[in-house]
Amino acid sequence: AQSVTQLGSHVSVSEGALVLLRCNYSSSVPPYLFWYVQYPNQGLQLLLKYTSAATLVKGINGFEAEFKKSETSFHLTKPSAHMSDAAEYFCAPLYSSASKIIFGSGTRLSIRP
Amino acid sequence: EPEVTQTPSHQVTQMGQEVILRCVPISNHLYFYWYRQILGQKVEFLVSFYNNEISEKSEIFDDQFSVERPDGSNFTLKIRSTKLEDSAMYFCASSEEGVAYEQYFGPGTRLTVT
Repeated sequence: AQSVTQLGSHVSVSEGALVLLRCNYSSSVPPYLFWYVQYPNQGLQLLLKYTSAATLVKGINGFEAEFKKSETSFHLTKPSAHMSDAAEYFCAPLYSSASKIIFGSGTRLSIRP
Repeated sequence: EPEVTQTPSHQVTQMGQEVILRCVPISNHLYFYWYRQILGQKVEFLVSFYNNEISEKSEIFDDQFSVERPDGSNFTLKIRSTKLEDSAMYFCASSEEGVAYEQYFGPGTRLTVT
């Protein structure tokens, strides 16, 4: 079955600390993968996308993610957290056999001063 | 930068009433989608639309739901007889073409059924 798992519904880090949000997808065929961010009371904004061109993908706001086929993972990282990064983050694979994006349950990122 | 727009931003309706949620996708996009997010839950796919017909729909998208592209710019989601459990944020999205293209999301319409 096509699914995605985000470990940790809530992650809290200090300002300036490393951000690591975990995502694992389930599939025998690597899908296309996206990370979306949702700020409070706003819509979904694309952070970055993996479409098989490069395994390390850089996105907006200093975020990046690495596709690891052997681990079926696509974890999101940022070297130094900023207060403005506080939001909900969704890992979202798009499988070539379907047109729909499957959203993970989301990880709420909180930043401590 | 082109963006997907949605109207209204908030819709309040009584149970049993019909609602139409409107979306204007990005102009050169060919694929259109509706998703919903019940408060506190994850975003769920409802339906995708291409070439004036539904290409895929989820089990949520039952006979109470319908989609239409009435003209060259609008894409609508109609709920014929709303239920309390239809209360959610509804997101419209569009993509340029092909499954590898990212979907651009609108800001959403918050539907409250009372």
